[in-house]
Amino acid sequence: GNSVTQMEGPVTLSEEAFLTINCTYTATGYPSLFWYVQYPGEGLQLLLKATKADDKGSNKGFEATYRKETTSFHLEKGSVQVSDSAVYFCALSDSGNTGKLIFGQGTTLQVKP
Amino acid sequence: GAGVSQSPSNKVTEKGKDVELRCDPISGHTALYWYRQSLGQGLEFLIYFQGNSAPDKSGLPSDRFSAERTGGSVSTLTIQRTQQEDSAVYLCASSLDGGQASYEQYFGPGTRLTVT
Repeated sequence: GNSVTQMEGPVTLSEEAFLTINCTYTATGYPSLFWYVQYPGEGLQLLLKATKADDKGSNKGFEATYRKETTSFHLEKGSVQVSDSAVYFCALSDSGNTGKLIFGQGTTLQVKP
Repeated sequence: GAGVSQSPSNKVTEKGKDVELRCDPISGHTALYWYRQSLGQGLEFLIYFQGNSAPDKSGLPSDRFSAERTGGSVSTLTIQRTQQEDSAVYLCASSLDGGQASYEQYFGPGTRLTVT
């Protein structure tokens, strides 16, 4: 079945450091790929998405490229801020007619000043 | 506009009792989803509604779990004879159309269920 694997955390970085959170997936068909973020005390919210191979999603300085050949959707940011501290979830929605999301385990990011 | 709302925000119940969790989706969203977030299992899909019907119930963990949706709007997730392993945060999400996998899902704040 469909699944998502993302790097385990926690990830601790200093402010202005480069961030990569790895995400790989297994899926039949052509899923859409998402990164969701959960800030402390807040609900899940969409960070970015990509709906087909080679698409790049971007938002708030974060980027991720849908790589079909490596079945990956790694999240990157060139210079993190303390306010980026949160839990990040990689997810796919299957290509069936439900749109249900399959999530990775989540990666906790802590950015220190 | 109003987002997805859930009630109660917290629920503590004794093992063996029944609980009902409520979700109010964004107006006009035909698709509604329930997920569960727990320490051991991460974020798991439970059930999907399109309108009032549930074409995908594959994530419900046992027959103690059921859900309904009325008027194409409010949904209730019911857990009967609660067990300690049911303790988790239950999240509801809605989107414009479940048939479009690329549509964003908007999540509610969740209901934290604790079974003692």
